[in-house]
Amino acid sequence: GAVVSQHPSWVICKSGTSVKIECRSLDFQATTMFWYRQFPKQSLMLMATSNEGSKATYEQGVEKDKFLINHASLTLSTLTVTSAHPEDSSFYICSASAGGWGETQYFGPGTRLLVL
Amino acid sequence: DQQVKQNSPSLSVQEGRISILNCDYTNSMFDYFLWYKKYPAEGPTFLISISSIKDKNEDGRFTVFLNKSAKHLSLHIVPSQPGDSAVYFCAASSSMGGKLIFGQGTELSVKP
Repeated sequence: GAVVSQHPSWVICKSGTSVKIECRSLDFQATTMFWYRQFPKQSLMLMATSNEGSKATYEQGVEKDKFLINHASLTLSTLTVTSAHPEDSSFYICSASAGGWGETQYFGPGTRLLVL
Repeated sequence: DQQVKQNSPSLSVQEGRISILNCDYTNSMFDYFLWYKKYPAEGPTFLISISSIKDKNEDGRFTVFLNKSAKHLSLHIVPSQPGDSAVYFCAASSSMGGKLIFGQGTELSVKP
């Protein structure tokens, strides 16, 4: 149980285009979904938290107009990187939790984004 | 300010021996702690957790110890297996509304 999927697993795009990443909880209802970013050899940095049906809460320094997050249902959240630039190239990972902050988060396999 | 620290970036252990991964935290509001295992280019996999009302939690070969007074937790893997080779992240959160804070990770290498 507690399976989280992400799609696509990797994407290459041109600078200036937008990229959408989907995160799905396959066997449980995710009240809360989280989006992280990981740079090579570094820890996971929380970008934003989304609760189903409400606006995402962004961490300090994360541009909400650049990283659009939608949590339309209890099993799906999307992250759209708008007008992507090479510095947005990274490994993006989502996680899902059946409860709130104190609950265990289950992670998706990640999406590797390369912006040319 | 790094609230969760894993001071050892890497650890090498012989197969069959015990692996001990350490993690320190500074925020006394943290009351829930987790360990995740991560392979390159994959998402972290949940391993084991512990709440602050306990000082030990065991699951098979994995045991997590929590020392609240020292703000320290450790993950013991025994016996270690080559398949355990991965990066291990500890994470902490507060049930009072805090986010999950990750340490920098420790890369474990178990040699046959």
